[in-house]
Amino acid sequence: GQQVMQIPQYQHVQEGEDFTTYCNSSTTLSNIQWYKQRPGGHPVFLIQLVKSGEVKKQKRLTFQFGEAKKNSSLHITATQTTDVGTYFCAGVPSGTYKYIFGTGTRLKVLA
Amino acid sequence: NAGVTQTPKFQVLKTGQSMTLQCAQDMNHNSMYWYRQDPGMGLRLIYYSASEGTTDKGEVPNGYNVSRLNKREFSLRLESAAPSQTSVYFCASSASLLGRDGQTQYFGPGTRLLVL
Repeated sequence: GQQVMQIPQYQHVQEGEDFTTYCNSSTTLSNIQWYKQRPGGHPVFLIQLVKSGEVKKQKRLTFQFGEAKKNSSLHITATQTTDVGTYFCAGVPSGTYKYIFGTGTRLKVLA
Repeated sequence: NAGVTQTPKFQVLKTGQSMTLQCAQDMNHNSMYWYRQDPGMGLRLIYYSASEGTTDKGEVPNGYNVSRLNKREFSLRLESAAPSQTSVYFCASSASLLGRDGQTQYFGPGTRLLVL
């Protein structure tokens, strides 16, 4: 079936280091969204990417959508303790209306 | 605006018991969704409702039923709970059906369910 894989599963970084999580789909996606979930909380929408090769920035966060629209990445520059949480990508396979969530990357930032 | 609300927050059931998880949104959204989240599995779509009066199966619908009671409310029912249904359940809503124009999903706080 359609799958969206995310790597790494876990990442521990020192505060101030950079962090990247990657999302890979087995099929072409019409769009992809990124969510952040704090421990014990619910997913919160961060951003949506629609166009091939699209790059969007939110302060220290940079999001990319691959040229083939099958992969995406989230890069955080100079992590802070407030960045702790699990980051999920969620993609819509072309021709469907359902988001398939990735397995998530749990980020821990050590002060 | 409360956004998306869910009740109950926590529930413990015995195998074979039934229960209904309630979800309501006050954002006048057309589409609503039920997900379950298991450790290391991400979120998986159980059922969704594109608009009032319609429901469709998601990725993991077996063992569940849903009712779109009105535009605001979307309930999830477990007729005969099983330990495999121990999970955190999230309800979400969006202005229109996801994927069609990439609407943002707004999630509720979740219901933590333990089936013994």
